[in-house]
Amino acid sequence: EAGVTQSPRYAVLQEGQAVSFWCDPISGHDTLYWYQQPRDQGPQLLVYFRDEAVIDNSQLPSDRFSAVRPKGTNSTLKIQSAKQGDTATYLCASSFLGRQDTQYFGPGTRLLVL
Amino acid sequence: AQKVTQTQTSISVVEKTTVTMDCVYETRDSSYFLFWYKQTASGEIVFLIRQDSYKKENATVGHYSLNFQKPKSSIGLIITATQIEDSAVYFCAMREGNNNNAPRFGAGTKLSVKP
Repeated sequence: EAGVTQSPRYAVLQEGQAVSFWCDPISGHDTLYWYQQPRDQGPQLLVYFRDEAVIDNSQLPSDRFSAVRPKGTNSTLKIQSAKQGDTATYLCASSFLGRQDTQYFGPGTRLLVL
Repeated sequence: AQKVTQTQTSISVVEKTTVTMDCVYETRDSSYFLFWYKQTASGEIVFLIRQDSYKKENATVGHYSLNFQKPKSSIGLIITATQIEDSAVYFCAMREGNNNNAPRFGAGTKLSVKP
């Protein structure tokens, strides 16, 4: 069984630039999460989906961040105008509700905003 | 609102010994799920073990076990016979019982296992 895949693995931007992160969850997993992990901190939830529906995006900075999962499979997280404070690793995870929500994480995208 | 606190920033042990990492949580739900994850130096996050709030018996998987003290809202991770490869950052996480809640993570404890 293939794991969660993410791309790109690394991104370096100047402030004000845009960037998109892509996630392919484990096949059959109905729930997909995006977390932000600043250096030396735990993962912090940004948004999560069940199938194509957003369940919770209350922690997503909506003025600059957006996330979609149009067909209930792959997902894209986009930052419109990056700030230095966005420097972090962006993690995607997936789970299957019927399997009581053990999460499987992708390798993450390390973002550096200069 | 749910909250997870790991107060130990880092722990250093000698290999083959036993280590306990602490985690306390806050929730108003009577039903919830507790998880421990390991993040290696490469950044990979791997699920280790879980405890469901309604289960009285402490979960055990391999050389990982849990010390679930419900009245204290505490879920400690115990690693016996530690190995050098256990060096990593360990995260505690909790999900409240409502199916529309996502797991929330603690800040993590960095474990160093030395020869």
